[in-house]
Amino acid sequence: DTEVTQTPKHLVMGMTNKKSLKCEQHMGHRAMYWYKQKAKKPPELMFVYSYEKLSINESVPSRFSPECPNSSLLNLHLHALQPEDSALYLCASSSEMTSRETQYFGPGTRLLVL
Amino acid sequence: QKEVEQNSGPLSVPEGAIASLNCTYSDRVSQSFFWYRQYSGKSPELIMSIYSNGDKEDGRFTAQLNKASQYVSLLIRDSQPSDSATYLCAVNKEETSGSRLTFGEGTQLTVNP
Repeated sequence: DTEVTQTPKHLVMGMTNKKSLKCEQHMGHRAMYWYKQKAKKPPELMFVYSYEKLSINESVPSRFSPECPNSSLLNLHLHALQPEDSALYLCASSSEMTSRETQYFGPGTRLLVL
Repeated sequence: QKEVEQNSGPLSVPEGAIASLNCTYSDRVSQSFFWYRQYSGKSPELIMSIYSNGDKEDGRFTAQLNKASQYVSLLIRDSQPSDSATYLCAVNKEETSGSRLTFGEGTQLTVNP
């Protein structure tokens, strides 16, 4: 089973709202990732958690706040977003955070900021 | 120079033909190479991974890696309309902070019935 689940599938929020994206995997993977993908562009890495610790933060604005409550869950808290933050947000996981491990992507959350 | 470059496309082939997708990378220490397929509005799905020089075959798909030329390719034999998608080349390498997957811009493939 290589399933990564994400909720919600779609989200519309205003610039003053606070919302959270959720990602879950039950493959025993110890590395989890958040990516942002704009239309007709490749995914861009935002954050990486390895063994529930934040390993990589790609200089993402503080209005995006990641959280890894346990080894199966990854959240992305959103606050005071801008319209340019509208994108597909992808979660991925891999067995370990090493270069040989395959990253498996969830279906994504399509976010629209009004 | 971009870290990962793909032939820009779009690429259009007739059904049953061979589709050839190419990718070059700039960093010689890159260790792992992946091809993902992404249908419009969906998330990337792994097609192939390759780590050593040479060819790797899986059904209608063959990945080829040449580390000396810093080149990786994906061949799709007997192309089907269902293969129409964007193909993303991704390169992974170890860094002090951990490994990082870098994607090319993608090549949009259309297979015409």
